[in-house]
Amino acid sequence: GAGVSQSPSNKVTEKGKDVELRCDPISGHTALYWYRQSLGQGLEFLIYFQGNSAPDKSGLPSDRFSAERTGGSVSTLTIQRTQQEDSAVYLCASSLAWGQGMTEAFFGQGTRLTVV
Amino acid sequence: AQKVTQAQTEISVVEKEDVTLDCVYETRDTTYYLFWYKQPPSGELVFLIRRNSFDEQNEISGRYSWNFQKSTSSFNFTITASQVVDSAVYFCALIGNRDDKIIFGKGTRLHILP
Repeated sequence: GAGVSQSPSNKVTEKGKDVELRCDPISGHTALYWYRQSLGQGLEFLIYFQGNSAPDKSGLPSDRFSAERTGGSVSTLTIQRTQQEDSAVYLCASSLAWGQGMTEAFFGQGTRLTVV
Repeated sequence: AQKVTQAQTEISVVEKEDVTLDCVYETRDTTYYLFWYKQPPSGELVFLIRRNSFDEQNEISGRYSWNFQKSTSSFNFTITASQVVDSAVYFCALIGNRDDKIIFGKGTRLHILP
């Protein structure tokens, strides 16, 4: 696609429910990143993928968070048993990998998650 | 470990003043890239500039300029003759060749007062 696409753009869920956030990166970008941004705060790194593998999962806040990427393209971030502190904007970005000739990361518009 | 420090949490200046946003980074990689992004109130992250570690030339783009100094591990961003539309949060970021992960600073919130 022309840009990074995230869905849904907004999600309101009840505490304790599971949610799935989707990211469709720019075609051909092998690197994919997930960040979380709480209101008025900076970007908190969650996880990144090189192709379908995730070399660094160190940023995932707890074992309720997981992510996968299939076909070197679409990625899904899953939050199980959501808590109110999970409320934030979840941002996805993609880029060429270092070996491809690194470029800047292109960001999607984000998914605003509200846990009530 | 990679680290990006933006010591200025919030800055307010009057329109038409010049303002410099500081960025200091830490990396053990010999090859790396530095970036600046702008996040206006609408929320989207807008790429401004990329600089690789072998290119220390300063860059000017209109009212924007960047000063990259490896000796001080800094990549500062100056807005000349600021405008209200420059009001945003600005993020500095780093990626190294051994740790293929983009690390962001905490951002500087810039207010341009009319």
